[in-house]
Amino acid sequence: DIQMTQSPSSLSASVGDRVTITCRASQSVSNYLNWFQQKPGKAPKLLIYAASDLHSGVPSRFSGSGSGTDFTLTISSLQPEDFATYYCLQSYITSALPFGGGTRVEIK
Amino acid sequence: EVQLVESGGGLVQPGRSLRLSCTASGFTFGDYTMSWVRQAPGKGLEWVSFIRSKAYGGATQYAASVSGRFTVSRDDSRSIAYLQMNSLKTEDTAVYYCSRERTTVSTGAFDIWGQGTMVTVSS
Repeated sequence: DIQMTQSPSSLSASVGDRVTITCRASQSVSNYLNWFQQKPGKAPKLLIYAASDLHSGVPSRFSGSGSGTDFTLTISSLQPEDFATYYCLQSYITSALPFGGGTRVEIK
Repeated sequence: EVQLVESGGGLVQPGRSLRLSCTASGFTFGDYTMSWVRQAPGKGLEWVSFIRSKAYGGATQYAASVSGRFTVSRDDSRSIAYLQMNSLKTEDTAVYYCSRERTTVSTGAFDIWGQGTMVTVSS
């Protein structure tokens, strides 16, 4: 089975910081990689699809990159509303759609 | 407004069954793949199942953890997706979300989510 590993599992950052979250697949998923943001008690929200395409309405400070097995979500300048948990999800292997373990972004 | 509303959650004993519903509005439900995703208390997201549109044969897929116990279905005439959960285990306790694909051909790009319904499996 394909595994998705996110790192770090949590991080502390300040408003205005550049934040980078990594997602690694146990085998190539081409560019079939999606990123979600979830705030406590709320449903997740789609941020990035196809590794680097910004979903409609998502601020441009969010960006995604990568292909194959290694992917990155970057927040160029962290805003107060960005403190949340972020998840990656591969969709290349459709017999199973594993999420990464999540990265919690906390206020420093 | 594009919207998904889950219902049917509750407290159920281990080994029993429960059926969740996901009622859609604001879009042509029959054109889209629908998925179920769950989140155990304090844990991460876990994809559970999807059902493709009739245009793609209505194909279904399940996570290994629920395969053989859960069944996903859809009623396009009523814009409802269902998740029939049988032989429930304590580890199935979670908030269950339904979600819609961003396009009629995409997989994994869940752009619309319901508010979630809580399922608690306990004696």
